[in-house]
Amino acid sequence: AQSVTQPDIHITVSEGASLELRCNYSYGATPYLFWYVQSPGQGLQLLLKYFSGDTLVQGIKGFEAEFKRSQSSFNLRKPSVHWSDAAEYFCAVGGRGAQKLVFGQGTRLTINP
Amino acid sequence: DTEVTQTPKHLVMGMTNKKSLKCEQHMGHRAMYWYKQKAKKPPELMFVYSYEKLSINESVPSRFSPECPNSSLLNLHLHALQPEDSALYLCASSHIRDRAKNSPLHFGNGTRLTVT
Repeated sequence: AQSVTQPDIHITVSEGASLELRCNYSYGATPYLFWYVQSPGQGLQLLLKYFSGDTLVQGIKGFEAEFKRSQSSFNLRKPSVHWSDAAEYFCAVGGRGAQKLVFGQGTRLTINP
Repeated sequence: DTEVTQTPKHLVMGMTNKKSLKCEQHMGHRAMYWYKQKAKKPPELMFVYSYEKLSINESVPSRFSPECPNSSLLNLHLHALQPEDSALYLCASSHIRDRAKNSPLHFGNGTRLTVT
């Protein structure tokens, strides 16, 4: 069965500091991987995605993620966070076709001024 | 601005009411999804439509009835809901993922449903 684990429920970082959000997945076939961000009361916005090719992918808002097949990980990083990055971040895995996308439990990011 | 439009933004309904949630996209996506999200939880899949046919029903109670009238529209008909059904209901759409294409889900901003 497919699953996603985000080990950190809540992370607090200072504005300008670097950020890494962890994501580990379990999937029997070639995974399609995604990171989404959700602000309170809003829908989910795609930050970046990975299926194949270069294992370091760039996304919007200065985010990047690295796919490591040997570790079944797809961690999200940002070199310098801004106060507007405070939100809930979800990692998700899916398969080919119109199959379900399974989400991790989310990591809530708080930014200290 | 989101390319998936959901209406209404907020809905309050009694347990005997019948209401519908609507979702529309014009990106040419042939897969459409309903997710339910409770506070401080991830979205949970309810239904998937692929080429306007229901392809996945995650054992959702029959008081939720989806409908896909055409490739751009997705409805969720609600009847005799319970207070525990109160949640944010998210619609999403995507291309059908294949060997060459990783198509993410595009989400609407959701309908905040309160059942009284």
